[in-house]
Parts: sequence; C-alpha cells; structure tokens
Amino acid sequence: KQEVTQIPAALSVPEGENLVLNCSFTDSAIYNLQWFRQDPGKGLTSLLLIQSSQREQTSGRLNASLDKSSGRSTLYIAASQPGDSATYLCAVSSIGRTGGSEKLVFGKGTKLTVNP
Amino acid sequence: NAGVTQTPKFRILKIGQSMTLQCAQDMNHNYMYWYRQDPGMGLKLIYYSVGAGITDKGEVPNGYNVSRSTTEDFPLRLELAAPSQTSVYFCATTTSAAYNEQFFGPGTRLTVL
Repeated sequence: KQEVTQIPAALSVPEGENLVLNCSFTDSAIYNLQWFRQDPGKGLTSLLLIQSSQREQTSGRLNASLDKSSGRSTLYIAASQPGDSATYLCAVSSIGRTGGSEKLVFGKGTKLTVNP
Repeated sequence: NAGVTQTPKFRILKIGQSMTLQCAQDMNHNYMYWYRQDPGMGLKLIYYSVGAGITDKGEVPNGYNVSRSTTEDFPLRLELAAPSQTSVYFCATTTSAAYNEQFFGPGTRLTVL
C-alpha cells in the first residue's frame, strides 16, 4: 500500500528565504507526482505535476524534483513571500488498470508560514 | 467556465439523517473523485468514477454511496450520518488518465452532531 510522508509538518521562515519541502513515498511504481497548495478553508490548487519519466518541473519561483528510485520529491521555493503562506500537499498517482493514472495518494501536508 | 462546483458549502446534520453532496463540472472530464479531509490530515479517497455509469471504491468508502449518470455530475450520498463523517469533502476532476492533473472544487464542510 502506497504511503506518502511529508516533512516537516510545519515550517516558519522569514521573508526572502529559500526553502525546501520534502515528500517521500513507499512504492516507486508511480505514474506521476503532484504538488498542491491549500489556503485555509479553501480547496486545493495544483502547482506542479512531474511525470514518472521526468526529473523536475519549474514554475516561476517553484521547482519540484523527483527521484523515483529513492521515493523522494522536493519542492523548492525561492525568495519566499508572505503570500506563499499556505499548506503544501504532495500526492502520488498509482498506475491504474487501464495503464494510465487513476488514483492519488496524499501526504498530510506541510504548513508554511512566511513572516514579513 | 465554473470549473468544479460543490453544494452546499456548509451543512450540519443530526446523527442518522441522510443527505447528498452535489458536485458538478463543466470541463467535460471523464474522471471524477470524492475525497474527505480531516483536520491536520491529507485527503483520503472515498469513491471515484472513470466515466458515466462507472464508479469504484477508494480508500474509505464505508457509509457513502455514489452514482454517475452523466459526465457532468457526481453526487455523494450519506445514508445514515455518523459523527465520524464530520469532515470537509472535496470533489475533483481530471483531464485524462495519461496526465491526471486534478482540479478541485471549493469543498463542503459537514458536521454531524
């Protein structure tokens, strides 16, 4: 059974700092990995999606890496801003019966606070 | 485009009552999902559907039922509400099995007393 772990559970940093969020998963037979952002009381917003054949994806100040063999992914946030404060969730997609992706398994998230 | 919409936003139920959480999408996606999120936890999959007329159980299906008669709608039914079903419920949809970037609705906050 796939399990996803995110460390740390919470992180507080001063504005402008670069930071790394970690995600690990137990079964390397994944289809893809996604990072989401969740603001308090809101739904999830997809930030980055890395296919299993890829090593990293970048969007603006965000960079996500994937090492399937070791079961790890990192989300790097450059020059953090107070607006980055949110919970960040990692999810891995299993390979479904049709050969494509079907289900996501989520970690519990890392709550990030960026202080002005 | 509204994307993924969920109704109601909030609901309080008494133990043993029934209700249906509505989810609709206008993105013409085949895949739809229902998750629950308990405080401090990640999301857990309740049920999902790969197309109209096809549904399958997720990790935590007990106490819930679903149906998928159209591409657009994927309602979640609670037949006999229990306090353990107090949670935030999210509906999601995805482009395709080949990519599976999931788009989420705003959620329904349910309290069972």
